[in-house]
Amino acid sequence: DTGVSQDPRHKITKRGQNVTFRCDPISEHNRLYWYRQTLGQGPEFLTYFQNEAQLEKSRLLSDRFSAERPKGSFSTLEIQRTEQGDSAMYLCASSLTIGFSNYEQYFGPGTRLTVT
Amino acid sequence: DQQVKQNSPSLSVQEGRISILNCDYTNSMFDYFLWYKKYPAEGPTFLISISSIKDKNEDGRFTVFLNKSAKHLSLHIVPSQPGDSAVYFCAASGGGSQGNLIFGKGTKLSVKP
Repeated sequence: DTGVSQDPRHKITKRGQNVTFRCDPISEHNRLYWYRQTLGQGPEFLTYFQNEAQLEKSRLLSDRFSAERPKGSFSTLEIQRTEQGDSAMYLCASSLTIGFSNYEQYFGPGTRLTVT
Repeated sequence: DQQVKQNSPSLSVQEGRISILNCDYTNSMFDYFLWYKKYPAEGPTFLISISSIKDKNEDGRFTVFLNKSAKHLSLHIVPSQPGDSAVYFCAASGGGSQGNLIFGKGTKLSVKP
């Protein structure tokens, strides 16, 4: 198993364009999370999926953001009409979580988004 | 309002000595705590965790201590090595949300040879 992978690693886009990021979790993990990290801050939660169901969304996730996990495997995060404030590192994580037990989350390398 | 606080932005330690990184939290409903290490341009790497039913967990050179009454946890690294130089994040989960981790802002550890 190669761990959590994310693509692309870097994305530069102009303000107003749409971007889409992909995350492939660890294969047996049922939960997939998206976080955003800006300079000097810790990762901030955006949303998470259990299998294909999106169970929680942060208030940070504005209407311009949408995430999917159509078959319970990989996930995509789309940002429409990007703004300069969207510039950040977007991190994906996965975990194997059973019931309400807590398990560690494993992170991918992140996608660095720069909006010019 | 920050629910997980790491009040020391940086820490410098001599190789071979103990590194102690601290973390405070405000939500008494948190029931699981984790430490992650992050190198530049990489995602956070899981180090060690502790459940609220314990007060100590060890894994090799890393030990996490939890003081629930003080809402405080700490990560001890003994002995510290230059390769430990990174940003360390404290995170917590529970408190009404089963899904996400709440992170502190991180402490940059520098271990000098």
